[in-house]
Amino acid sequence: GAVVSQHPSRVICKSGTSVKIECRSLDFQATTMFWYRQFPKQSLMLMATSNEGSKATYEQGVEKDKFLINHASLTLSTLTVTSAHPEDSSFYICSANSGTGGGDEQYFGPGTRLTVT
Amino acid sequence: GEDVEQSLFLSVREGDSSVINCTYTDSSSTYLYWYKQEPGAGLQLLTYIFSNMDMKQDQRLTVLLNKKDKHLSLRIADTQTGDSAIYFCAEKGSGYSTLTFGKGTMLLVSP
Repeated sequence: GAVVSQHPSRVICKSGTSVKIECRSLDFQATTMFWYRQFPKQSLMLMATSNEGSKATYEQGVEKDKFLINHASLTLSTLTVTSAHPEDSSFYICSANSGTGGGDEQYFGPGTRLTVT
Repeated sequence: GEDVEQSLFLSVREGDSSVINCTYTDSSSTYLYWYKQEPGAGLQLLTYIFSNMDMKQDQRLTVLLNKKDKHLSLRIADTQTGDSAIYFCAEKGSGYSTLTFGKGTMLLVSP
Protein backbone atom coordinates (compact mmCIF):
# COMPACT_ATOMS: atom_id res chain seq x y z
CA GLY A 1 0.00 0.00 0.00
CA ALA A 2 0.86 3.74 0.08
CA VAL A 3 1.93 4.12 -3.53
CA VAL A 4 2.65 7.52 -5.03
CA SER A 5 3.04 7.97 -8.76
CA GLN A 6 4.43 10.82 -10.81
CA HIS A 7 3.93 11.66 -14.44
CA PRO A 8 5.88 12.12 -16.58
CA SER A 9 8.99 10.33 -15.39
CA ARG A 10 11.16 12.30 -17.76
CA VAL A 11 10.61 15.43 -19.82
CA ILE A 12 12.77 17.54 -22.09
CA CYS A 13 11.47 20.96 -23.02
CA LYS A 14 12.68 24.11 -24.66
CA SER A 15 13.54 27.22 -22.73
CA GLY A 16 10.53 29.47 -22.23
CA THR A 17 7.91 26.73 -22.27
CA SER A 18 5.90 25.45 -19.31
CA VAL A 19 5.87 21.93 -17.97
CA LYS A 20 3.28 20.29 -15.73
CA ILE A 21 4.17 17.40 -13.42
CA GLU A 22 1.48 15.31 -11.77
CA CYS A 23 1.70 13.58 -8.42
CA ARG A 24 -0.94 11.03 -7.45
CA SER A 25 -1.53 8.97 -4.35
CA LEU A 26 -2.87 5.73 -5.78
CA ASP A 27 -4.30 3.87 -2.82
CA PHE A 28 -4.80 6.49 -0.14
CA GLN A 29 -6.03 10.02 0.27
CA ALA A 30 -3.46 12.66 1.01
CA THR A 31 -4.53 15.97 2.43
CA THR A 32 -0.93 17.12 2.28
CA MET A 33 1.58 16.62 -0.48
CA PHE A 34 5.10 17.94 -0.72
CA TRP A 35 7.25 18.96 -3.66
CA TYR A 36 11.01 18.57 -3.53
CA ARG A 37 13.84 19.35 -5.86
CA GLN A 38 17.03 17.35 -5.91
CA PHE A 39 20.28 18.35 -7.58
CA PRO A 40 22.85 15.72 -8.53
CA LYS A 41 24.52 14.11 -5.52
CA GLN A 42 22.64 16.37 -3.16
CA SER A 43 19.85 16.02 -0.68
CA LEU A 44 16.22 16.92 -1.24
CA MET A 45 15.25 20.54 -1.02
CA LEU A 46 11.66 21.14 0.03
CA MET A 47 10.02 23.56 -2.37
CA ALA A 48 6.47 23.73 -1.10
CA THR A 49 3.77 22.07 0.93
CA SER A 50 0.55 21.50 -0.94
CA ASN A 51 -2.75 21.25 0.93
CA GLU A 52 -5.91 20.08 -0.74
CA GLY A 53 -8.29 22.93 -1.36
CA SER A 54 -5.99 25.71 -0.26
CA LYS A 55 -2.96 27.63 -1.46
CA ALA A 56 0.42 25.98 -1.26
CA THR A 57 2.97 27.08 1.29
CA TYR A 58 6.29 27.85 -0.37
CA GLU A 59 9.69 27.63 1.24
CA GLN A 60 11.87 30.69 1.39
CA GLY A 61 13.55 31.42 -1.90
CA VAL A 62 11.11 29.45 -4.04
CA GLU A 63 9.23 31.62 -6.55
CA LYS A 64 5.54 30.85 -6.27
CA ASP A 65 4.78 32.47 -9.62
CA LYS A 66 7.31 30.27 -11.34
CA PHE A 67 6.44 27.01 -9.63
CA LEU A 68 2.64 26.83 -9.64
CA ILE A 69 1.14 24.19 -7.39
CA ASN A 70 -2.43 23.01 -7.53
CA HIS A 71 -3.85 20.41 -5.14
CA ALA A 72 -7.26 19.91 -6.67
CA SER A 73 -8.22 16.65 -4.99
CA LEU A 74 -7.15 14.35 -2.18
CA THR A 75 -5.20 12.21 -4.63
CA LEU A 76 -3.70 14.70 -7.06
CA SER A 77 -1.26 17.58 -6.84
CA THR A 78 0.36 19.25 -9.83
CA LEU A 79 3.52 21.31 -10.17
CA THR A 80 3.81 23.56 -13.19
CA VAL A 81 7.20 25.00 -14.00
CA THR A 82 6.39 28.16 -15.95
CA SER A 83 8.72 29.74 -18.49
CA ALA A 84 11.33 27.09 -17.81
CA HIS A 85 15.02 27.91 -18.09
CA PRO A 86 18.05 25.61 -18.15
CA GLU A 87 18.72 26.31 -14.46
CA ASP A 88 15.33 24.72 -13.70
CA SER A 89 16.69 21.40 -14.94
CA SER A 90 16.55 19.07 -11.98
CA PHE A 91 14.94 15.99 -10.46
CA TYR A 92 11.55 16.86 -8.99
CA ILE A 93 10.07 14.50 -6.40
CA CYS A 94 6.71 14.64 -4.70
CA SER A 95 5.61 12.94 -1.53
CA ALA A 96 2.35 12.45 0.30
CA ASN A 97 1.42 11.87 3.93
CA SER A 98 -0.57 8.73 4.41
CA GLY A 99 -1.29 9.43 8.06
CA THR A 100 -2.24 5.81 8.62
CA GLY A 101 0.84 4.04 9.93
CA GLY A 102 1.25 5.93 13.17
CA GLY A 103 4.59 7.33 12.06
CA ASP A 104 3.17 10.10 9.93
CA GLU A 105 5.03 8.57 7.03
CA GLN A 106 5.75 10.39 3.85
CA TYR A 107 5.68 8.23 0.76
CA PHE A 108 7.60 9.43 -2.25
CA GLY A 109 6.90 9.30 -5.93
CA PRO A 110 9.52 7.97 -8.35
CA GLY A 111 10.53 11.47 -9.42
CA THR A 112 10.47 13.46 -12.66
CA ARG A 113 13.67 14.33 -14.47
CA LEU A 114 13.25 17.74 -16.12
CA THR A 115 15.77 18.88 -18.70
CA VAL A 116 15.38 22.36 -20.18
CA THR A 117 17.34 22.98 -23.37
CA GLY B 1 17.48 26.07 11.10
CA GLU B 2 17.55 22.41 12.00
CA ASP B 3 20.34 20.30 10.63
CA VAL B 4 20.83 16.62 9.83
CA GLU B 5 24.32 15.27 9.15
CA GLN B 6 25.44 12.01 7.60
CA SER B 7 28.71 10.59 6.41
CA LEU B 8 28.80 10.68 2.63
CA PHE B 9 30.10 7.26 1.71
CA LEU B 10 30.32 3.71 3.05
CA SER B 11 31.80 0.69 1.34
CA VAL B 12 31.27 -2.88 2.56
CA ARG B 13 31.60 -6.41 1.26
CA GLU B 14 28.61 -8.58 0.51
CA GLY B 15 27.52 -10.51 3.59
CA ASP B 16 28.98 -8.01 6.05
CA SER B 17 26.88 -5.68 8.19
CA SER B 18 26.58 -2.02 7.24
CA VAL B 19 26.09 0.76 9.75
CA ILE B 20 25.04 4.18 8.54
CA ASN B 21 25.14 6.99 11.06
CA CYS B 22 23.19 10.22 11.35
CA THR B 23 23.17 13.12 13.77
CA TYR B 24 20.52 15.79 14.12
CA THR B 25 20.11 18.99 16.06
CA ASP B 26 16.36 19.33 16.63
CA SER B 27 15.69 18.32 20.22
CA SER B 28 11.95 18.34 19.53
CA SER B 29 12.15 15.67 16.83
CA THR B 30 9.17 13.35 17.01
CA TYR B 31 9.92 10.86 14.27
CA LEU B 32 13.15 9.88 12.54
CA TYR B 33 13.17 8.11 9.21
CA TRP B 34 15.46 6.18 6.92
CA TYR B 35 14.87 6.33 3.19
CA LYS B 36 16.63 4.48 0.36
CA GLN B 37 17.15 5.99 -3.08
CA GLU B 38 18.34 3.97 -6.03
CA PRO B 39 19.78 5.74 -9.11
CA GLY B 40 17.18 7.75 -10.98
CA ALA B 41 14.39 6.76 -8.62
CA GLY B 42 12.38 8.34 -5.86
CA LEU B 43 12.78 7.65 -2.17
CA GLN B 44 11.63 4.43 -0.59
CA LEU B 45 10.68 4.57 3.07
CA LEU B 46 12.65 1.82 4.82
CA THR B 47 11.73 2.34 8.42
CA TYR B 48 11.08 4.98 11.02
CA ILE B 49 11.37 5.29 14.77
CA PHE B 50 9.42 7.33 17.25
CA SER B 51 11.57 9.54 19.42
CA ASN B 52 10.67 7.75 22.64
CA MET B 53 12.04 4.46 21.32
CA ASP B 54 15.64 3.28 21.60
CA MET B 55 15.63 0.54 19.03
CA LYS B 56 13.50 -0.86 16.28
CA GLN B 57 14.20 -3.99 14.26
CA ASP B 58 12.57 -4.97 11.02
CA GLN B 59 14.02 -8.06 9.34
CA ARG B 60 17.57 -7.14 8.29
CA LEU B 61 17.23 -3.54 9.43
CA THR B 62 17.95 -2.31 12.93
CA VAL B 63 17.54 1.31 13.92
CA LEU B 64 19.20 2.61 17.07
CA LEU B 65 18.34 6.00 18.55
CA ASN B 66 20.37 7.80 21.19
CA LYS B 67 18.16 10.75 21.95
CA LYS B 68 20.59 12.26 24.44
CA ASP B 69 23.33 12.47 21.82
CA LYS B 70 20.83 13.04 18.96
CA HIS B 71 22.37 10.13 17.10
CA LEU B 72 20.55 7.71 14.84
CA SER B 73 21.98 4.68 13.11
CA LEU B 74 20.77 2.15 10.57
CA ARG B 75 22.30 -1.30 10.60
CA ILE B 76 21.78 -3.55 7.61
CA ALA B 77 22.61 -7.18 8.37
CA ASP B 78 23.95 -9.52 5.66
CA THR B 79 24.32 -6.66 3.20
CA GLN B 80 23.61 -7.59 -0.41
CA THR B 81 24.69 -5.94 -3.67
CA GLY B 82 21.06 -4.90 -4.12
CA ASP B 83 21.41 -2.76 -1.01
CA SER B 84 23.78 -0.45 -2.89
CA ALA B 85 22.01 2.92 -2.94
CA ILE B 86 21.92 6.28 -1.22
CA TYR B 87 20.40 6.25 2.26
CA PHE B 88 18.81 9.39 3.65
CA CYS B 89 18.17 10.12 7.27
CA ALA B 90 15.29 12.52 7.96
CA GLU B 91 13.67 13.99 11.02
CA LYS B 92 10.30 15.55 11.73
CA GLY B 93 10.02 18.16 14.44
CA SER B 94 7.17 18.53 16.86
CA GLY B 95 4.18 20.25 15.32
CA TYR B 96 5.62 20.18 11.82
CA SER B 97 4.65 18.01 8.90
CA THR B 98 7.77 18.73 6.88
CA LEU B 99 10.92 16.62 6.99
CA THR B 100 14.51 17.74 7.23
CA PHE B 101 16.84 15.48 5.28
CA GLY B 102 20.51 14.74 5.57
CA LYS B 103 22.66 14.83 2.44
CA GLY B 104 22.56 11.07 2.10
CA THR B 105 25.10 8.27 2.52
CA MET B 106 26.10 6.35 -0.56
CA LEU B 107 26.42 2.67 0.31
CA LEU B 108 28.49 0.59 -2.08
CA VAL B 109 28.37 -3.18 -1.63
CA SER B 110 31.06 -5.16 -3.41
CA PRO B 111 30.81 -8.89 -4.15
